[in-house]
Amino acid sequence: EPEVTQTPSHQVTQMGQEVILRCVPISNHLYFYWYRQILGQKVEFLVSFYNNEISEKSEIFDDQFSVERPDGSNFTLKIRSTKLEDSAMYFCASSGDLVHEQYFGPGTRLTVT
Amino acid sequence: TQLLEQSPQFLSIQEGENLTVYCNSSSVFSSLQWYRQEPGEGPVLLVTVVTGGEVKKLKRLTFQFGDARKDSSLHITAAQPGDTGLYLCAGAGWTSYDKVIFGPGTSLSVIP
Repeated sequence: EPEVTQTPSHQVTQMGQEVILRCVPISNHLYFYWYRQILGQKVEFLVSFYNNEISEKSEIFDDQFSVERPDGSNFTLKIRSTKLEDSAMYFCASSGDLVHEQYFGPGTRLTVT
Repeated sequence: TQLLEQSPQFLSIQEGENLTVYCNSSSVFSSLQWYRQEPGEGPVLLVTVVTGGEVKKLKRLTFQFGDARKDSSLHITAAQPGDTGLYLCAGAGWTSYDKVIFGPGTSLSVIP
């Protein structure tokens, strides 16, 4: 069964460093998303991406964040200068014709020290 | 701002019991999804409900979307230890149809 994959599973970085989180969505899906979940808190929407551009973003998704679909399979989230409060699980998701049925990857645990 | 509330926050029951968890909002959603999340893993989609009043069944799980499309419930019959996990509801709006808002979740523990 097709699934969303994410790498790395765990990333440790120092404050101020740039990180790139990678995702491979389900191959025939057209909509791509990033969410984050701070430990013990709820899943929070960051951004949605369709037709090679951002379609929605939340107030969390500030200028420090960017997304890219560099080729036909990968979808990346870049955080330019990480802060301690960026420590969280970051989930990638994708959906096809049924836009609201989003399929999530296993997540990348980002730890900023 | 659209918000989803879930109740109860925590639920611990014996194997074989029935339970219902609730998802409520003051906002109207175009659709509502239920997910289950295990610790350290991503949410897994269980069901999507779209039509007000809709009822969907998935084995021992019954999902209902409120007539006004503001609330939903998940009923589990004869709970099993394998049902243990965090149950999340998530709603999509009408204009920002791909911006899905998650509730805080109901943590279910089924004791053998």
